[in-house]
Formats: sequence, structure tokens, C-alpha cells
Amino acid sequence: DAGVIQSPRHEVTEMGQEVTLRCKPISGHDYLFWYRQTMMRGLELLIYFNNNVPIDDSGMPEDRFSAKMPNASFSTLKIQPSEPRDSAVYFCASSPDRGSQPQHFGDGTRLSIL
Amino acid sequence: AQSVTQPDIHITVSEGASLELRCNYSYGATPYLFWYVQSPGQGLQLLLKYFSGDTLVQGIKGFEAEFKRSQSSFNLRKPSVHWSDAAEYFCAVGPSGGYQKVTFGTGTKLQVIP
Repeated sequence: DAGVIQSPRHEVTEMGQEVTLRCKPISGHDYLFWYRQTMMRGLELLIYFNNNVPIDDSGMPEDRFSAKMPNASFSTLKIQPSEPRDSAVYFCASSPDRGSQPQHFGDGTRLSIL
Repeated sequence: AQSVTQPDIHITVSEGASLELRCNYSYGATPYLFWYVQSPGQGLQLLLKYFSGDTLVQGIKGFEAEFKRSQSSFNLRKPSVHWSDAAEYFCAVGPSGGYQKVTFGTGTKLQVIP
């Protein structure tokens, strides 16, 4: 079975550039989560969707961050313009439920902003 | 609000020794509890979960965890650690209802020495 697929696995770009991270959740999972992981702050939930609708974006750090889920099999997290402090590993996860079922994580995108 | 505390940031054990990773949670009702493992460069993988019933839960890779309501704990154990167990371990709590979502602990990094 295919798990959660994220692309790219690594991204290196210069400050000010637009960055787009992509995620394909597991088929049939109604919930999709975007996380950011850094040494300083650990694993932070940025936003989550239910049935393609954003439910809670309180973790999105700034207006420079935006996320969309145009259909059940695809989501993007965009940073525009990017800054060095955005450097982190970004994970996408999906689940059939908000809290009672485990989340399935992708392998992450390691983002470096120079 | 629900919360998870993993008091040990870093633990070192010898290969073959037993292991216990601590997790304490705060939640008003009976929560859903999870342990995840993260190997370097990878996403989080579910080790085990507790929803109800038997308080001793068996997971993958020889791990088990015990739910103790009186202590609000869900500690992870393994009787004999292998070098391949070196990774970071996350405890998480999910709601049995309501709006709240899964909350992850800050993680415990396990080092295994020969």
C-alpha cells in the first residue's frame, strides 16, 4: 500500500523565493495534517484539513504561509516569500480520524533557505 | 487543554539492556494514546496505540506500553534494546471527542551503545 507521499524530499532555495511543498495522502483518509519540525521547537502542527476543508490553521506562523487542498488526493504548503528561519523539515500526515486513529506520516521535505 | 510531557530529552542505554521511556499526559477524560518512532531522515511511524481495554498494549518491534490512569502515564518499554532501536520516540495523546486534536510530546532521543 502506498503511504503518504511528499515531494520534493529536499529543497534548497534562496531567501525571497517561493517554495511549494506537495503531499499526497493515503486514499480514503479524510484528515490531512501539515507539521513543521525543528530542533528548537520540535514538532509543530501548522494546519489540518477535513474533507479538503481547512479546519484549524492557528499554527500557521505568518501570512507568508498558505496551504490548500484542491482535492482529496493532493495538498500544497506554500511559503512566499521564504526566509532563512523557515528552514526545517515539513511533514504531511493523513488519518481517517481527527484524534482516535493514528496518523500516517510522509518522509518529510527538508527545506533549507539560504 | 490536553498536553503530553516526555521528561527525558535524551536517554542512553547499552545494547541488550531494558528500556523505559516516560510519558505523562493531561486530559479530562480517557484519552487515546500513541507512541511513534522517528528514525533519522524519516517520518514518524506508529509503534502502538491505546484506546480502551487491556492497559498493557503490545506494539511492533517488541515494544509495549502500559496505561496507568492513576498516574496519568503511558510509559514505553522494551526488555532488550537492539542497536537499531536508536531513534527519537514521541508520545501523543488524542481526544476521545470534541474539537481537540492529537498533541505530540517533545520527544525522547534514544542512543544505544555497544
